Order: sequence, then C-alpha cells, then structure tokens
Amino acid sequence: AQRVTQPEKLLSVFKGAPVELKCNYSYSGSPELFWYVQYSRQRLQLLLRHISRESIKGFTADLNKGETSFHLKKPFAQEEDSAMYYCALRRGGSEKLVFGKGTKLTVNP
Amino acid sequence: DTEVTQTPKHLVMGMTNKKSLKCEQHMGHRAMYWYKQKAKKPPELMFVYSYEKLSINESVPSRFSPECPNSSLLNLHLHALQPEDSALYLCASSQDSSYRAGELFFGEGSRLTVL
Repeated sequence: AQRVTQPEKLLSVFKGAPVELKCNYSYSGSPELFWYVQYSRQRLQLLLRHISRESIKGFTADLNKGETSFHLKKPFAQEEDSAMYYCALRRGGSEKLVFGKGTKLTVNP
Repeated sequence: DTEVTQTPKHLVMGMTNKKSLKCEQHMGHRAMYWYKQKAKKPPELMFVYSYEKLSINESVPSRFSPECPNSSLLNLHLHALQPEDSALYLCASSQDSSYRAGELFFGEGSRLTVL
C-alpha cells in the first residue's frame, strides 16, 4: 500500500529565509506526486505536480526516486506562504489520492 | 466557472435526522469525490464517481449514501449519523478518474455537526 510521510507537523521560518517542506513516500511502482496547499479560510488547492516540473509562487519540488522523496522548496519565504501544506500520492491508474498528514508553515515577519 | 460549489456550508443534525450534502461543478469534469476531514487531519477519501458510476467506496458505513444524478452534481445522503461523524465534508472533481486524476478541484466543504 502507498504511504506518504510528512515528518514535520509544524515549520516556522523568518521572511526571506529558505524553506523546505519534507515529503517521503513508500510505493514500489511509479507514483504521481502532488503538493496541495490550504491558506487560512480558503479551500484546499493544488500547488504543484511532479510531472509538470514547474515553479508556482516560487515553490519547486523534485521527485527523487532513489530517496523516495518529493520535498517542496522555496529560496525566500514570504509571509503569504503561511499555510497548511499536504503532500499527496497517486498510484498510476488509480483514482485514489493519498494525503500526508500535512505541515503547517508559518513565515514570521 | 472553475469552482466546485458545496451546500450547505454548515449543517447541524440529530442522530435520527436525514439530510443531504450537495456538490456542483460546471468544469466538464467526469470524476467527482467525497472526502472527510477531521480537525487537524488530512482529507480521507470516502467515495469516487467516475462518469456517474460509483467506482470507489472506501468501506464507508451505509449511513452515508452517495448519489451522482448527473455529471455536474454529487450528493451525499446522511441518515442515522453518530456524533463521531462530525467533520468537514469536502467535495472534489477532476477531469476524469485516470487522466490528471490527481489534480483535484476542491469545494470549500460542508461542516457537519451531529448532536
């Protein structure tokens, strides 16, 4: 069975500092990985997909199959990045998206 | 219209009541989902509908009954719920259940309290 682990429940950084939210997964096949974000009082929304290799709001994430990781990074955090971040995995061909437990990021002024 | 709309936003019901949650999307998506989210926990999948047919039921108790009347609408009928069923119920949609299935559009949720 697939599993997603986000080891940090809470992460606090200062504005302008680099930030990395960790995500590790366990799945023997070829997974699809995603990052979802939920800002205060807003709906859960997709931030990044590993297959698109894009940068959204300055965030990037690279799938490392060797380390089974999909860490989310941003070189200079902004206060508006404060939110709950969920890493999610989809097994190829499956309709099911499995979420990690989430990391609450706080960016302090 | 790129939103998933859920009604009601809040619902309080007794254990003997029957109520329904509604979800609507007009993005032409052919897969729709119900998730349950307890406070400070990640969303947990309950049901998936693909092309208006139920394709996944994650062993959800029968007191929750999903319905997909057409490709734009998804309902969740509630009957004889327990207080532990109190949660935020999220509806989501995706283009379909295979192509870009992990790219979900979520509604704001219906916050359910069972007394």
